[in-house]
Order: sequence, then structure tokens, then C-alpha cells
Amino acid sequence: DTGVSQNPRHKITKRGQNVTFRCDPISEHNRLYWYRQTLGQGPEFLTYFQNEAQLEKSRLLSDRFSAERPKGSFSTLEIQRTEQGDSAMYLCASSTSRDRGRGKETQYFGPGTRLLVL
Amino acid sequence: GQNIDQPTEMTATEGAIVQINCTYQTSGFNGLFWYQQHAGEAPTFLSYNVLDGLEEKGRFSSFLSRSKGYSYLLLKELQMKDSASYLCAVRAIQGGSYIPTFGRGTSLIVHP
Repeated sequence: DTGVSQNPRHKITKRGQNVTFRCDPISEHNRLYWYRQTLGQGPEFLTYFQNEAQLEKSRLLSDRFSAERPKGSFSTLEIQRTEQGDSAMYLCASSTSRDRGRGKETQYFGPGTRLLVL
Repeated sequence: GQNIDQPTEMTATEGAIVQINCTYQTSGFNGLFWYQQHAGEAPTFLSYNVLDGLEEKGRFSSFLSRSKGYSYLLLKELQMKDSASYLCAVRAIQGGSYIPTFGRGTSLIVHP
């Protein structure tokens, strides 16, 4: 396994268009997280899945954002009616709950999708 | 909510030691992570603390004091490649799940 992968790596879109990003986690990882990161800031939590269930969603997240993980493997993040303020790096991370017994549960990040809304 | 504070930028000399501090305020604390992030790349895991004390791993060490809401990352024998952003992340219970919250990161510049 080569780690977490994300596609596309870059996306340029016009304001008002819809975009969809994909994340493929490490195969045995049951937990998947989406973050957004802007320049000079740390990653901001968006949403979290355990298997196919979306267990947490940031209260700051607009209803234009939706995420799915239909089979508990890959996940998609969709942004509808994009705005210029949505321009950011969108990071996906995965982890396994089996690590919690050791107290660590490290998150492994993908390379991110950089979105630019014109 | 959570409040995580770390310096914006630090500079240090190659071969030296640098300490990056992180203070936090949270309820339901369940661990503190340090990540390294090079420009344009994803964060990579460095260390994890859930109990008070020092965790050492090669040139990197991390310390935690839960009563003080304080952690630091210590980097020894600095190398040029250590120039990066260092992110402090606190995991705490949110709803029924443990969710990490990241600080803004400390940009470390190592010069010759």
C-alpha cells in the first residue's frame, strides 16, 4: 500500500460550479477525515467517517459541502456552487481504530487537492 | 471549543537545538500530536503524547504537561531539511468522537 491518495491534485473552477474530490485511504484504515487548509493556517476539521458512517461534521461547514463514503473505503467531498472563499488545500487523512489500544491512532495524510475558485 | 497557541515563526542555526512551544485549552483531552509539514506537502506525523512527560524519538522529543495545558517539541542537531512548519494538534472528544484540532503551525527556518 502506497498510502493515502487524493484526486485530482489540482482543480481550477469558476465561481458557481460544483467540484468533487476523491480520497482513497490506506486499505485497512476504517477512519477517514477531511480537512481544509489555507495559507499560514493549520488544517481545519471538516468531517469524519468511521467505516461508511459520517459521525462528525464541523458546525462551521456550509451546507454546500457534502461528503460520502458509501462502501467504507474511498470517500468523496463535493462542494456545490463554489465561492472564491472555498479556495484552499483539501486534505484527507485516514487512521485505524486498532491503534487506539496503543493510544496513538496516528492520522496519515494524503497529498491534498488544491482548489482555486476564480 | 478549543484554543491552541504556538509561535508563528522561529529561526535557528544548523546544528543547534530549538524548542517549539504549544499551549492549549480544551475539555475532554485525549492526546497531543506534533506534525511536520513542508511547503506544499501534507503533514507527516512526528510524535504523540497522552500522558505527562517526555517522549524521545531520535533527534525529536516532545513533552506534555496536561495540568498546564502545555507541550513542546524539541529538535536537536538541526539540519537544513528541518526547515518546515510544525503543527501542534490536540485531540478531544467532540460529540461521541475524538477529533483533532490543529494549531496554526510554527514556521521554522534553519540557516547555515
